[in-house]
Amino acid sequence: GDSVTQMEGPVTLSEEAFLTINCTYTATGYPSLFWYVQYPGEGLQLLLKATKADDKGSNKGFEATYRKETTSFHLEKGSVQVSDSAVYFCALSSGATNKLIFGTGTLLAVQP
Amino acid sequence: EAGVAQSPRYKIIEKRQSVAFWCNPISGHATLYWYQQILGQGPKLLIQFQNNGVVDDSQLPKDRFSAERLKGVDSTLKIQPAKLEDSAVYLCASSLAGQGSNEQYFGPGTRLTVT
Repeated sequence: GDSVTQMEGPVTLSEEAFLTINCTYTATGYPSLFWYVQYPGEGLQLLLKATKADDKGSNKGFEATYRKETTSFHLEKGSVQVSDSAVYFCALSSGATNKLIFGTGTLLAVQP
Repeated sequence: EAGVAQSPRYKIIEKRQSVAFWCNPISGHATLYWYQQILGQGPKLLIQFQNNGVVDDSQLPKDRFSAERLKGVDSTLKIQPAKLEDSAVYLCASSLAGQGSNEQYFGPGTRLTVT
């Protein structure tokens, strides 16, 4: 069945460092891909999405490109801030029901 | 615009007891989802409603879990009897429709602890 694999955390970075969180997927058909973020004490929020190959999703300085050839959707940010500390989830949806399948999440801790 | 509302936010029960969670989706959203998020894992879909009909309940443990959305708006998820492994955060989400890449909006979740 469809699945998402993302790099394990925690990822600890200093402020202004470059961030990459790897995500790869397995799916039949042509899924849409998402990154969700969960800040401490808050609910899941959509960070960015891409619906077809070579699309780039971007938001709040974060970017991810839908790579069909490598079945990947890696999350990047050029300069992280302390306020980016959160758990990041990669997810896909496919088929007619829009059901989301999530990875296990990656905890990002940014130190000042 | 009000977000997805859930209650209670926290619940502690003993095993074999029953518990119910309530969700009020964003107004106008036809599709409602219940997810289970066990500590250290990503959310897993339990059940999906389109209006008041069930679209997908393939991962719902039907011997102990039940859910309803009688009028196509609010929804209730029930566990009876609860087991220790049901300790998790139960997330409700809603979207305008159930197809394509319509964004799902998540509520704050209900954290259940079964002792």
